[in-house]
Amino acid sequence: QQPVQSPQAVILREGEDAVINCSSSKALYSVHWYRQKHGEAPVFLMILLKGGEQKGHEKISASFNEKKQQSSLYLTASQLSYSGTYFCGTANTNAGKSTFGDGTTLTVKP
Amino acid sequence: GAVVSQHPSWVICKSGTSVKIECRSLDFQATTMFWYRQFPKQSLMLMATSNEGSKATYEQGVEKDKFLINHASLTLSTLTVTSAHPEDSSFYICSAPQIGTVDVAYGYTFGSGTRLTVV
Repeated sequence: QQPVQSPQAVILREGEDAVINCSSSKALYSVHWYRQKHGEAPVFLMILLKGGEQKGHEKISASFNEKKQQSSLYLTASQLSYSGTYFCGTANTNAGKSTFGDGTTLTVKP
Repeated sequence: GAVVSQHPSWVICKSGTSVKIECRSLDFQATTMFWYRQFPKQSLMLMATSNEGSKATYEQGVEKDKFLINHASLTLSTLTVTSAHPEDSSFYICSAPQIGTVDVAYGYTFGSGTRLTVV
């Protein structure tokens, strides 16, 4: 079943923060996040496994709340390069296919 | 890091012809490859899962005879759109688990995508 992402779109000024949420109605094994620029393939950002992981790289971090079956992606002090569509992908088991949310379009303006 | 090379990047073909899209894992062995289709401003929709040495698994609603998938080796998976029609125009993307196994715990590497336009 497809995870639900919110918000659908967000517009920021450079330096502002954003949070993108991803929730599922089923128990999750893993959540992974991708960013896709227009006309390009998605680029892997990070993956979180069940057990309540939190991860980060530079100013992008994410958390996974296994009990609530949801994950949040945090973008801190956003840069122009952060603009794009962010997808979460969820897997119910460790074996294979994931289902992707509809995406959140992030626009960072100068 | 893991790289999946996808070709061609774009293709324009006439209605009724067939188009082959290739995905190669360059520095790892991909026993599994996932094929997605993405329409403008929409999410990635999984079409099928190809497995080296066995038949592909198709998602519900995806025509097996129209979208032929072959996983010829541990580094090559192909998707052939047969008798293409304008409604098949889309962005097709492949991806493979990053360490070459089916375990999603390590994330996926995506190919660069193929934009198919059927005229």
